[in-house]
Amino acid sequence: KQEVTQIPAALSVPEGENLVLNCSFTDSAIYNLQWFRQDPGKGLTSLLLIQSSQREQTSGRLNASLDKSSGRSTLYIAASQPGDSATYLCAVRRVDSNYQLIWGAGTKLIIKP
Amino acid sequence: DVKVTQSSRYLVKRTGEKVFLECVQDMDHENMFWYRQDPGLGLRLIYFSYDVKMKEKGDIPEGYSVSREKKERFSLILESASTNQTSMYLCASSFGGGEPYEQYFGPGTRLTVT
Repeated sequence: KQEVTQIPAALSVPEGENLVLNCSFTDSAIYNLQWFRQDPGKGLTSLLLIQSSQREQTSGRLNASLDKSSGRSTLYIAASQPGDSATYLCAVRRVDSNYQLIWGAGTKLIIKP
Repeated sequence: DVKVTQSSRYLVKRTGEKVFLECVQDMDHENMFWYRQDPGLGLRLIYFSYDVKMKEKGDIPEGYSVSREKKERFSLILESASTNQTSMYLCASSFGGGEPYEQYFGPGTRLTVT
């Protein structure tokens, strides 16, 4: 059974630092992996989607990597800003499902001014 | 831009009431989803619909039902609300085929059952 884990559950860093959020999954048979952002009390916004054949994706100050063999993905945030404060979730799509995502519980990120 | 809207941001209902949560998307997406989100548990899929009048159970369908009479609208029904259904409910939609596969989310409904 696929399980997705995000550690740490919460992270607080000073503004301007580069940081890495981690996502691990137990079954390497995935179709893709997606990173989302959730602001307090709100829905989710998709940040980056990495297909299983890809190693990384970049969008602005965000870079997501995928290592299927080790069951890991990282989300790198460069030059963090207070506006980056949110909960970040990762989710994997199983190869045997055309729709189902398996979700991590998220990392709550606080960027201190 | 894809827009997914949910009928209420906050709801307070009493135990035993029948509760309707509605979700509307404006991008002609085939797939629609209902999730619940609880602290420390992440998102859990309640039901999924891949076409009008078609539905599949997710991981936690007990105590819930759904209705999809029109392509753009997907309703979640709590037949008899209980306190353990207090949660954040998130609706999402996506295209039915092609890549990249991506789900678009509504703002969520925070339901409190007293």
